[in-house]
Amino acid sequence: GENVEQHPSTLSVQEGDSAVIKCTYSDSASNYFPWYKQELGKRPQLIIDIRSNVGEKKDQRIAVTLNKTAKHFSLHITETQPEDSAVYFCATNTGGFKTIFGAGTRLFVKA
Amino acid sequence: DAGVIQSPRHEVTEMGQEVTLRCKPISGHDYLFWYRQTMMRGLELLIYFNNNVPIDDSGMPEDRFSAKMPNASFSTLKIQPSEPRDSAVYFCASSFLRLNTGELFFGEGSRLTVL
Repeated sequence: GENVEQHPSTLSVQEGDSAVIKCTYSDSASNYFPWYKQELGKRPQLIIDIRSNVGEKKDQRIAVTLNKTAKHFSLHITETQPEDSAVYFCATNTGGFKTIFGAGTRLFVKA
Repeated sequence: DAGVIQSPRHEVTEMGQEVTLRCKPISGHDYLFWYRQTMMRGLELLIYFNNNVPIDDSGMPEDRFSAKMPNASFSTLKIQPSEPRDSAVYFCASSFLRLNTGELFFGEGSRLTVL
């Protein structure tokens, strides 16, 4: 079945620095790549997504890149702020809505 | 819309007891998912439904777990008998095909503790 690997498991950055989280997937049929943010004790919420026909997408301080050949996709957060501290999950699905999540990255932004 | 509604928010029970978790998806959504979240295993997909029909239950860990969706506005996840290793946060999520995005809308989760 589909497997999504996510790295690193924990990331600590200084406020204002950039953070990068990377994921790899195994199913070449995957065509949708969302990222979810989960604050402590809260539900996961979508923050950005990308489809397989797009290589990069940006929304203010966050961006996602996709390399279909290498089956890699990454989340980039610039000018990090303390409120960015949370667990971030990458995920994939093949268009059938079956969404498989990576293990998550716990991001700490130090003020 | 109030979003995906789950109940109970917290459940503490003893090993061997039956547990029923409930979910009301967003009105009009045609996909419903049950996920289990633990520190060790992350977010695991247990089962999902399309138009009330179970599509993939390959993530259901054992026969002790069962899920139903009798109508478009209600689903249950049942564990019988419960075991301490079932302790986790169980999330229900729904989605809408015509959004054409695949975005999942999660409920607030049901935190289950089995003693």
